[in-house]
Amino acid sequence: DTGVSQNPRHKITKRGQNVTFRCDPISEHNRLYWYRQTLGQGPEFLTYFQNEAQLEKSRLLSDRFSAERPKGSFSTLEIQRTEQGDSAMYLCASSSLGSGNTIYFGEGSWLTVV
Amino acid sequence: AQSVSQHNHHVILSEAASLELGCNYSYGGTVNLFWYVQYPGQHLQLLLKYFSGDPLVKGIKGFEAEFIKSKFSFNLRKPSVQWSDTAEYFCAVSSGSARQLTFGSGTQLTVLP
Repeated sequence: DTGVSQNPRHKITKRGQNVTFRCDPISEHNRLYWYRQTLGQGPEFLTYFQNEAQLEKSRLLSDRFSAERPKGSFSTLEIQRTEQGDSAMYLCASSSLGSGNTIYFGEGSWLTVV
Repeated sequence: AQSVSQHNHHVILSEAASLELGCNYSYGGTVNLFWYVQYPGQHLQLLLKYFSGDPLVKGIKGFEAEFIKSKFSFNLRKPSVQWSDTAEYFCAVSSGSARQLTFGSGTQLTVLP
């Protein structure tokens, strides 16, 4: 499968713990995005990378959230000191100039903070 | 800041009925417009997109959408829905130099057999 891959698909964690999600974009896509989606809402933009550079961050991305894309390929999203309000689906997506900036999404990682 | 409104939160139709889902956006400049679909248990998939040119765009599975600039709208249509079209539909916009998408809150479509 050459789509966007995310893991883990589901994560249940206790409040206050740290969690990390990984995203592998479509091969050769140089743009990578993280979104968050809660029930009954559309995805909300969190952050965007072009290659290894993090070019944009939403105000939704508090100091407890950090995203990296060290070699311009896969990316990680870490949430420190999780809170119940962090419970959501975290979506990764990728695109490239060649795809006309069409953004392709992964299946998402469900986070439940208890 | 741009925003996207989808006024229909839940639409219920019988098979073979016609579908129109509304989408309005707020942004005064050049926009790229998208409709994504999320089938139960699956990831977001692109249905169709508009970048420029013919304002009537055709997508997969018989869907089409019309960009009406004067109304800031990009409504999704399908002449005859099927049970397999049951899903959540999201309208999204990107604008100017922004690379990210702004999504509407989605419309849940239920098609009754």
